[in-house]
Amino acid sequence: SQQGEEDPQALSIQEGENATMNCSYKTSINNLQWYRQNSGRGLVHLILIRSNEREKHSGRLRVTLDTSKKSSSLLITASRAADTASYFCATDEGSARQLTFGSGTQLTVLP
Amino acid sequence: GAGVSQSPSNKVTEKGKDVELRCDPISGHTALYWYRQSLGQGLEFLIYFQGNSAPDKSGLPSDRFSAERTGGSVSTLTIQRTQQEDSAVYLCASSLVTTGGDEKLFFGSGTQLSVL
Repeated sequence: SQQGEEDPQALSIQEGENATMNCSYKTSINNLQWYRQNSGRGLVHLILIRSNEREKHSGRLRVTLDTSKKSSSLLITASRAADTASYFCATDEGSARQLTFGSGTQLTVLP
Repeated sequence: GAGVSQSPSNKVTEKGKDVELRCDPISGHTALYWYRQSLGQGLEFLIYFQGNSAPDKSGLPSDRFSAERTGGSVSTLTIQRTQQEDSAVYLCASSLVTTGGDEKLFFGSGTQLSVL
């Protein structure tokens, strides 16, 4: 079953604009991660936020976590055409070691 | 190697045949995962190996699917009597295991399986 669910499913923006993607989950977590996937192949880890953190930054990425709402957002600022990819959130379920991935947001950045 | 290596990158097979997919994780990574991704979908967890512990097989969709990890390194995912619905990209990932439980997964490029 899917733990994280991303919203929107698809997002198209102009280069230079900001892109915001949201993720909701159902059960308690230790941490939440965001991954990027190009061309339907291997995923690349972007950022991890722990359950006791509310916000984290990495370059042009900003992630927030609201455990009371069981939701997270990924903001990409000043987007570039090269940011075009699918973005997935992934959560661990308590003591389970496996990560559960959502269905992803397809981001298209138009030059 | 520098990253997670999967082979073959593409596999076309006929319905009813068996296939083996291989994953060579990053050296020193004790955790290894198999996921399946159908076209345009998210990742479906299949199986998880950690060191010498019994694998977590809770995601395997049927008894036609099995996996092993020899010597704590290379893993093979076997699908017997393949069906058309098995067509997907099969992704392998490995990670270090930390006491904090915040492992980051490193993925291979996947095997695109097409069952005709």
